Amino acid sequence: DVKVTQSSRYLVKRTGEKVFLECVQDMDHENMFWYRQDPGLGLRLIYFSYDVKMKEKGDIPEGYSVSREKKERFSLILESASTNQTSMYLCASSLFAQAEQYFGPGTRLTVT
Amino acid sequence: RKEVEQDPGPFNVPEGATVAFNCTYSNSASQSFFWYRQDCRKEPKLLMSVYSSGNEDGRFTAQLNRASQYISLLIRDSKLSDSATYLCVVEPGGKLQFGAGTQVVVTP
Repeated sequence: DVKVTQSSRYLVKRTGEKVFLECVQDMDHENMFWYRQDPGLGLRLIYFSYDVKMKEKGDIPEGYSVSREKKERFSLILESASTNQTSMYLCASSLFAQAEQYFGPGTRLTVT
Repeated sequence: RKEVEQDPGPFNVPEGATVAFNCTYSNSASQSFFWYRQDCRKEPKLLMSVYSSGNEDGRFTAQLNRASQYISLLIRDSKLSDSATYLCVVEPGGKLQFGAGTQVVVTP
């Protein structure tokens, strides 16, 4: 079974803080993804990575950056958290870009 | 126009009944199609892939209509545990696009 884990289930941060969200997968998948999910808007892709040290912007990359130093780990960074970044953040991985994705349990981030 | 569109619902379904809903997509070059299920406050989980010939998995049947650019999901003999949001997923060119989901509520 594919397992994708995320560092926190719930996180509360203050405006302006730097926030790190970590994701680890154990299936040797090439591709990893970060999404945010908001009511009525569905899943929106922030960034994805198809290889170590490679990254591509998704649909809403502004205000975020990512890091992939090891194949199994993909980090999402909010350089200066803002209240409009309050959301559910979901990490996913897949064997190749068009394949089904497996999701972590999500991190519900609240920025106050 | 959104790449992937779904009726948000909710579809209120009596236990034991059949429910069906569609998802339309805009990019005719899409090659991969999936249905995911998402329970309240949980992550999406793959329900089934959708093949050109259609496919069935127990009480769930998925169909693809390339001419009209939609996929469908039919749930037979609905169970209370089928209550969830069903996300349509389409691959329009290299990466997956998720619909916003259709909520299904199965009532006793």
